Amino acid sequence: DAGITQSPRHKVTETGTPVTLRCHQTENHRYMYWYRQDPGHGLRLIHYSYGVKDTDKGEVSDGYSVSRSKTEDFLLTLESATSSQTSVYFCAIRPGTAGSTDTQYFGPGTRLTVL
Amino acid sequence: AQSVTQPDIHITVSEGASLELRCNYSYGATPYLFWYVQSPGQGLQLLLKYFSGDTLVQGIKGFEAEFKRSQSSFNLRKPSVHWSDAAEYFCAVGKISSGSARQLTFGSGTQLTVLP
Repeated sequence: DAGITQSPRHKVTETGTPVTLRCHQTENHRYMYWYRQDPGHGLRLIHYSYGVKDTDKGEVSDGYSVSRSKTEDFLLTLESATSSQTSVYFCAIRPGTAGSTDTQYFGPGTRLTVL
Repeated sequence: AQSVTQPDIHITVSEGASLELRCNYSYGATPYLFWYVQSPGQGLQLLLKYFSGDTLVQGIKGFEAEFKRSQSSFNLRKPSVHWSDAAEYFCAVGKISSGSARQLTFGSGTQLTVLP
């Protein structure tokens, strides 16, 4: 258990509304990631963070923003949700300590439906 | 750009039979390679990983994978499948990015069905 929680676990919202998903970790790991999972696409990286206030874009970042104001929390925001953002969102963490094996550990996921 | 191809969308095997799931990658340097498994409604669990050294790596639940640089492949194998192995399997390749973070690029997955 990598100590990752995601909230909410399920959410239904309407097109045009803002949505924020939260990823919380208890291990103080440096690296955190947001992915989305869609049928036929596997997981695709949205944004990632390599420290407090340090973030960068991934493969599918359009329409998403992130923030990391403290080590344990990584927030994903959809400023104005669209139906194409209906997906399952996974958070992942990676220990950045010396000797770590570069492995990412995943949270339980958040299922988001945009109507 | 890196990419991962899992040619088989869906594989069906009988319980007790052997299993091989294919993974081909494209990456300019020595790859970091991973296999993850996802049971329905669950997150992803790491099965095994390859960073360097012995090209045959052992993982959890009796799985192994072999890295073949000449074929750009990292196929997952299990000699005898159990009904509980039914799940979706993802191959991934990692690359270094900003702040020494490591981005993963995933294949589209292979759904495994196990017949009794």
